[in-house]
Amino acid sequence: GENVEQHPSTLSVQEGDSAVIKCTYSDSASNYFPWYKQELGKRPQLIIDIRSNVGEKKDQRIAVTLNKTAKHFSLHITETQPEDSAVYFCAASISHNNDMRFGAGTRLTVKP
Amino acid sequence: EAGVTQFPSHSVIEKGQTVTLRCDPISGHDNLYWYRRVMGKEIKFLLHFVKESKQDESGMPNNRFLAERTGGTYSTLKVQPAELEDSGVYFCASSQVRGGEAFFGQGTRLTVV
Repeated sequence: GENVEQHPSTLSVQEGDSAVIKCTYSDSASNYFPWYKQELGKRPQLIIDIRSNVGEKKDQRIAVTLNKTAKHFSLHITETQPEDSAVYFCAASISHNNDMRFGAGTRLTVKP
Repeated sequence: EAGVTQFPSHSVIEKGQTVTLRCDPISGHDNLYWYRRVMGKEIKFLLHFVKESKQDESGMPNNRFLAERTGGTYSTLKVQPAELEDSGVYFCASSQVRGGEAFFGQGTRLTVV
């Protein structure tokens, strides 16, 4: 089955800097890659997703890149703000199944 | 529109007891998923319902876990008897279509002592 690895487990950046979180997956059939953000005490929420027919997707300060050949995808947050502090999870799934496999999460701390 | 709701939000039980977690998905969402996160580790897939049918239960750890979704609406996840290693946060999520965005509940934090 699918195995998703996520790095780093913790990341601390200064406000205004960029943050990058990387994930690798094992199942070449996976074609849907969402990213979830979980703030303290709240539910995980989808912040951005990418499908395998594109290599990059951007939404304001966040972007995701996908390299299908290497089976890795990354989340990029630019101009980080304290409210970006949260745990971020990557996931991969074969879209018609949608039983997503998640990474272990990255705890991002943005220092003011 | 109400989101995915789970209850209880917290449960503390003794080893050997039984606990039942409930998930109410977003109305109209046929797909319902259960996940578990043990402290510091990944959100691990447990199972997937499509309406009342179990589509994939490959993530269920053992036969102490029983999930049901009678009528294809809400779902329950029963742990009987609970063991210490069952402690964690149990998330439920639902989606309208396969491959669509999955909406999560706030989770149930289960502590087995």
